Amino acid sequence: EVQLLESGGGLEEPGGSLRLSCAASGFIFTSHAMTWVRQAPGKGLEWVSAITGSGVSTYYADSVKGRFTISRDNSKKMLYLQMNSLRAEDSAVYYCAKGSASISSSFFDHWGQGTLVTVPS
Amino acid sequence: DIVMTQSPDSLAVSLGERATINCRSSQSVLYSSNNKNYLAWYQHKPGQSPKLLISWASTRESGVPERFSGSGSGTDFTLTISSLQAEDVAVYFCQQYYSPLISFGQGTRLEIK
Repeated sequence: EVQLLESGGGLEEPGGSLRLSCAASGFIFTSHAMTWVRQAPGKGLEWVSAITGSGVSTYYADSVKGRFTISRDNSKKMLYLQMNSLRAEDSAVYYCAKGSASISSSFFDHWGQGTLVTVPS
Repeated sequence: DIVMTQSPDSLAVSLGERATINCRSSQSVLYSSNNKNYLAWYQHKPGQSPKLLISWASTRESGVPERFSGSGSGTDFTLTISSLQAEDVAVYFCQQYYSPLISFGQGTRLEIK
Protein backbone atom coordinates (compact mmCIF):
# COMPACT_ATOMS: atom_id res chain seq x y z
CA GLU A 1 0.00 0.00 0.00
CA VAL A 2 1.33 3.41 -0.99
CA GLN A 3 1.77 5.76 1.95
CA LEU A 4 2.97 9.36 2.01
CA LEU A 5 3.41 11.05 5.37
CA GLU A 6 4.24 14.74 5.53
CA SER A 7 5.77 16.49 8.52
CA GLY A 8 7.52 19.73 9.37
CA GLY A 9 4.70 22.23 9.09
CA GLY A 10 4.01 24.82 11.74
CA LEU A 11 3.94 28.51 12.57
CA GLU A 12 6.83 30.59 11.29
CA GLU A 13 7.42 34.32 11.18
CA PRO A 14 7.71 36.18 7.86
CA GLY A 15 11.22 35.86 6.53
CA GLY A 16 11.77 32.62 8.40
CA SER A 17 12.42 29.11 7.16
CA LEU A 18 10.78 25.71 7.41
CA ARG A 19 11.70 22.31 6.04
CA LEU A 20 8.91 19.96 5.07
CA SER A 21 9.50 16.22 4.83
CA CYS A 22 7.52 13.46 3.18
CA ALA A 23 8.18 9.81 4.05
CA ALA A 24 7.22 7.43 1.25
CA SER A 25 6.54 3.72 1.34
CA GLY A 26 4.81 1.00 -0.63
CA PHE A 27 6.30 1.73 -4.07
CA ILE A 28 9.63 1.89 -5.90
CA PHE A 29 10.57 5.42 -4.90
CA THR A 30 13.21 6.04 -7.58
CA SER A 31 10.73 5.18 -10.35
CA HIS A 32 8.46 8.10 -9.59
CA ALA A 33 8.67 11.84 -9.75
CA MET A 34 7.44 13.56 -6.62
CA THR A 35 5.76 16.88 -6.17
CA TRP A 36 4.54 19.40 -3.63
CA VAL A 37 1.10 20.98 -4.05
CA ARG A 38 -0.42 23.51 -1.67
CA GLN A 39 -3.86 24.80 -0.86
CA ALA A 40 -4.24 28.15 0.86
CA PRO A 41 -7.34 28.69 3.03
CA GLY A 42 -10.39 29.04 0.81
CA LYS A 43 -8.33 28.68 -2.36
CA GLY A 44 -7.71 26.00 -4.97
CA LEU A 45 -4.79 23.68 -5.52
CA GLU A 46 -1.50 25.33 -6.46
CA TRP A 47 1.42 23.29 -7.78
CA VAL A 48 4.62 24.30 -5.98
CA SER A 49 7.52 22.14 -7.12
CA ALA A 50 8.47 18.80 -8.63
CA ILE A 51 11.51 16.56 -8.83
CA THR A 52 12.21 13.67 -11.17
CA GLY A 53 12.72 10.15 -9.89
CA SER A 54 16.49 10.41 -10.20
CA GLY A 55 16.53 13.78 -8.50
CA VAL A 56 18.49 15.29 -11.38
CA SER A 57 15.80 17.71 -12.55
CA THR A 58 13.71 20.07 -10.45
CA TYR A 59 10.93 22.50 -11.33
CA TYR A 60 9.31 25.38 -9.45
CA ALA A 61 6.30 27.62 -9.68
CA ASP A 62 7.21 31.26 -10.23
CA SER A 63 5.70 32.13 -6.84
CA VAL A 64 8.37 30.12 -4.97
CA LYS A 65 11.34 30.12 -7.35
CA GLY A 66 14.49 31.28 -5.61
CA ARG A 67 12.99 30.78 -2.15
CA PHE A 68 12.03 27.08 -2.04
CA THR A 69 14.24 24.08 -2.80
CA ILE A 70 12.94 20.58 -3.46
CA SER A 71 15.14 17.56 -2.89
CA ARG A 72 14.92 13.86 -2.30
CA ASP A 73 16.96 11.14 -0.60
CA ASN A 74 16.26 7.98 -2.56
CA SER A 75 18.14 5.82 -0.08
CA LYS A 76 15.75 6.92 2.67
CA LYS A 77 12.64 7.26 0.46
CA MET A 78 12.25 10.83 1.61
CA LEU A 79 11.11 13.99 -0.16
CA TYR A 80 11.90 17.45 1.18
CA LEU A 81 10.90 21.06 0.64
CA GLN A 82 13.18 23.71 2.10
CA MET A 83 11.19 26.92 2.37
CA ASN A 84 13.13 30.14 2.97
CA SER A 85 12.09 33.80 3.08
CA LEU A 86 8.56 32.76 4.01
CA ARG A 87 5.70 35.14 3.27
CA ALA A 88 2.12 35.34 4.53
CA GLU A 89 0.95 34.13 1.13
CA ASP A 90 2.86 30.87 1.66
CA SER A 91 0.36 29.91 4.37
CA ALA A 92 -1.34 26.73 3.19
CA VAL A 93 -1.74 23.02 3.60
CA TYR A 94 1.17 21.43 1.76
CA TYR A 95 0.64 18.03 0.17
CA CYS A 96 3.29 15.73 -1.20
CA ALA A 97 2.12 13.59 -4.07
CA LYS A 98 3.49 10.67 -6.06
CA GLY A 99 3.89 11.10 -9.78
CA SER A 100 2.67 8.47 -12.19
CA ALA A 101 6.08 8.23 -13.84
CA SER A 102 9.71 9.07 -13.21
CA ILE A 103 9.53 12.20 -15.33
CA SER A 104 8.04 15.43 -14.13
CA SER A 105 5.17 15.44 -16.63
CA SER A 106 3.05 13.20 -14.45
CA PHE A 107 -0.36 13.08 -12.92
CA PHE A 108 -0.53 12.35 -9.21
CA ASP A 109 -2.00 9.03 -8.19
CA HIS A 110 -1.37 9.17 -4.44
CA TRP A 111 -1.38 12.08 -2.04
CA GLY A 112 -0.37 12.54 1.57
CA GLN A 113 -2.70 13.98 4.18
CA GLY A 114 -0.95 17.34 4.15
CA THR A 115 0.91 19.51 6.65
CA LEU A 116 -0.17 23.02 7.60
CA VAL A 117 2.19 25.96 7.26
CA THR A 118 1.15 29.25 8.81
CA VAL A 119 3.01 32.52 8.26
CA PRO A 120 1.24 35.45 9.95
CA SER A 121 0.90 38.72 8.11
CA ASP B 1 3.03 28.58 -18.76
CA ILE B 2 -0.21 26.73 -19.47
CA VAL B 3 -3.26 28.29 -17.82
CA MET B 4 -6.19 26.03 -16.98
CA THR B 5 -9.65 27.55 -16.74
CA GLN B 6 -12.66 25.68 -15.41
CA SER B 7 -16.33 26.47 -15.77
CA PRO B 8 -18.53 26.95 -13.94
CA ASP B 9 -16.95 27.95 -10.61
CA SER B 10 -19.84 26.30 -8.78
CA LEU B 11 -22.64 23.99 -9.76
CA ALA B 12 -25.78 22.70 -8.02
CA VAL B 13 -27.36 19.54 -9.40
CA SER B 14 -30.23 17.38 -8.16
CA LEU B 15 -29.54 13.86 -6.98
CA GLY B 16 -29.65 11.44 -9.89
CA GLU B 17 -29.13 14.16 -12.47
CA ARG B 18 -26.10 14.78 -14.70
CA ALA B 19 -23.29 17.12 -13.69
CA THR B 20 -20.93 18.56 -16.29
CA ILE B 21 -17.70 20.43 -15.54
CA ASN B 22 -15.58 22.02 -18.25
CA CYS B 23 -11.86 22.68 -18.41
CA ARG B 24 -9.97 24.67 -21.03
CA SER B 25 -6.21 24.92 -21.43
CA SER B 26 -4.45 27.99 -22.87
CA GLN B 27 -2.57 25.73 -25.27
CA SER B 28 -3.05 22.20 -26.51
CA VAL B 29 -2.11 19.42 -24.10
CA LEU B 30 -2.31 16.79 -26.84
CA TYR B 31 1.12 15.28 -27.44
CA SER B 32 1.28 14.44 -31.14
CA SER B 33 3.88 11.69 -30.87
CA ASN B 34 1.61 9.42 -28.81
CA ASN B 35 -1.78 11.07 -29.44
CA LYS B 36 -2.41 11.37 -25.71
CA ASN B 37 -3.97 14.28 -23.87
CA TYR B 38 -1.99 15.13 -20.73
CA LEU B 39 -5.03 16.04 -18.66
CA ALA B 40 -6.20 14.68 -15.29
CA TRP B 41 -9.22 15.24 -13.05
CA TYR B 42 -9.26 15.17 -9.23
CA GLN B 43 -11.96 15.16 -6.57
CA HIS B 44 -11.23 17.03 -3.34
CA LYS B 45 -13.46 16.72 -0.30
CA PRO B 46 -13.06 18.88 2.83
CA GLY B 47 -10.56 17.46 5.30
CA GLN B 48 -9.29 14.88 2.81
CA SER B 49 -6.46 14.78 0.32
CA PRO B 50 -7.27 15.08 -3.38
CA LYS B 51 -8.22 11.89 -5.18
CA LEU B 52 -7.28 11.11 -8.78
CA LEU B 53 -10.36 10.27 -10.83
CA ILE B 54 -9.25 10.35 -14.45
CA SER B 55 -5.94 10.52 -16.31
CA TRP B 56 -5.13 10.92 -20.01
CA ALA B 57 -8.38 12.90 -20.29
CA SER B 58 -10.61 9.83 -20.31
CA THR B 59 -9.00 6.90 -18.42
CA ARG B 60 -10.89 6.21 -15.23
CA GLU B 61 -8.74 5.15 -12.27
CA SER B 62 -9.30 1.76 -10.70
CA GLY B 63 -12.11 1.90 -8.16
CA VAL B 64 -13.65 5.10 -9.49
CA PRO B 65 -17.39 4.61 -10.13
CA GLU B 66 -18.47 4.31 -13.75
CA ARG B 67 -20.72 7.36 -13.41
CA PHE B 68 -17.54 9.47 -13.69
CA SER B 69 -16.28 9.99 -17.25
CA GLY B 70 -13.86 12.31 -18.99
CA SER B 71 -13.84 13.51 -22.56
CA GLY B 72 -12.28 16.08 -24.85
CA SER B 73 -9.03 16.69 -26.68
CA GLY B 74 -6.55 19.43 -27.41
CA THR B 75 -7.68 22.38 -25.32
CA ASP B 76 -11.26 21.56 -24.27
CA PHE B 77 -12.20 18.87 -21.77
CA THR B 78 -15.22 17.76 -19.79
CA LEU B 79 -15.81 15.78 -16.62
CA THR B 80 -19.28 14.25 -16.48
CA ILE B 81 -21.01 12.63 -13.54
CA SER B 82 -23.90 10.78 -15.12
CA SER B 83 -26.11 10.40 -12.03
CA LEU B 84 -25.12 12.55 -9.09
CA GLN B 85 -24.86 10.83 -5.71
CA ALA B 86 -24.68 12.54 -2.33
CA GLU B 87 -21.07 11.42 -1.84
CA ASP B 88 -20.03 13.29 -5.00
CA VAL B 89 -20.27 16.67 -3.25
CA ALA B 90 -16.72 18.03 -3.56
CA VAL B 91 -14.50 20.43 -5.43
CA TYR B 92 -13.24 19.12 -8.75
CA PHE B 93 -9.95 20.18 -10.35
CA CYS B 94 -8.44 19.59 -13.75
CA GLN B 95 -4.66 19.46 -14.14
CA GLN B 96 -2.36 19.53 -17.16
CA TYR B 97 0.87 17.56 -17.11
CA TYR B 98 1.92 18.30 -20.70
CA SER B 99 4.41 20.81 -19.33
CA PRO B 100 6.73 20.00 -16.41
CA LEU B 101 5.41 23.27 -14.99
CA ILE B 102 2.20 21.66 -13.78
CA SER B 103 -0.97 23.72 -13.49
CA PHE B 104 -4.43 23.18 -12.05
CA GLY B 105 -7.75 24.74 -12.87
CA GLN B 106 -9.24 26.99 -10.21
CA GLY B 107 -11.72 24.30 -9.16
CA THR B 108 -15.47 23.74 -9.50
CA ARG B 109 -17.55 23.34 -6.35
CA LEU B 110 -20.31 20.75 -6.85
CA GLU B 111 -23.31 20.80 -4.53
CA ILE B 112 -26.70 19.14 -4.28
CA LYS B 113 -29.68 21.18 -5.45
